[in-house]
Amino acid sequence: EAEVAQSPRYKITEKSQAVAFWCDPISGHATLYWYRQILGQGPELLVQFQDESVVDDSQLPKDRFSAERLKGVDSTLKIQPAELGDSAMYLCASSLTWEGDTDTQYFGPGTRLTVL
Amino acid sequence: GIQVEQSPPDLILQEGANSTLRCNFSDSVNNLQWFHQNPWGQLINLFYIPSGTKQNGRLSATTVATERYSLLYISSSQTTDSGVYFCAVVYSSASKIIFGSGTRLSIRP
Repeated sequence: EAEVAQSPRYKITEKSQAVAFWCDPISGHATLYWYRQILGQGPELLVQFQDESVVDDSQLPKDRFSAERLKGVDSTLKIQPAELGDSAMYLCASSLTWEGDTDTQYFGPGTRLTVL
Repeated sequence: GIQVEQSPPDLILQEGANSTLRCNFSDSVNNLQWFHQNPWGQLINLFYIPSGTKQNGRLSATTVATERYSLLYISSSQTTDSGVYFCAVVYSSASKIIFGSGTRLSIRP
């Protein structure tokens, strides 16, 4: 069964350092999502791509976060510089389509980031 | 403001019991999904249910869009059902995905 791949699974870094997360969606899925999940809370959407274009990045802290999906397939989320409050689980999901509605989302295993 | 409220926040049951989880939303929605997050953090889609009723084995879900709520039913609970159950909606007015804060379910053997 096709899955969303993410790496690394765990990342420990010091504040002010740069970190990057990678996501490979299910083949053929045009829509890709990055979420941040703080312990005890539901996931919060950071950025949504339709192919290589950003559909929504209203919750992305653009002074330190960036995301790209250059060829409309895999995606990278970067934080520079990392802050203590960035410690969280970063989840990637993909879905077949986005046509004003959301299609069924499939999630990767996540990257757990700890900032010291 | 736009909200997704889930109840109860925590639920502890014995194996074999039935449970009902509720999701209330504050405006008309295009879509609604239920997810299960296992103790290792993996989120699994359970239902894509903007309206109506669906069933999958011991799980079923009903969304009454006109009354702005959805229910997730789990029958004959098993210890593997433990974890956090999330409701996520896309509001018609915003086309933005919003997750509730979840219901933490613990099934005791």
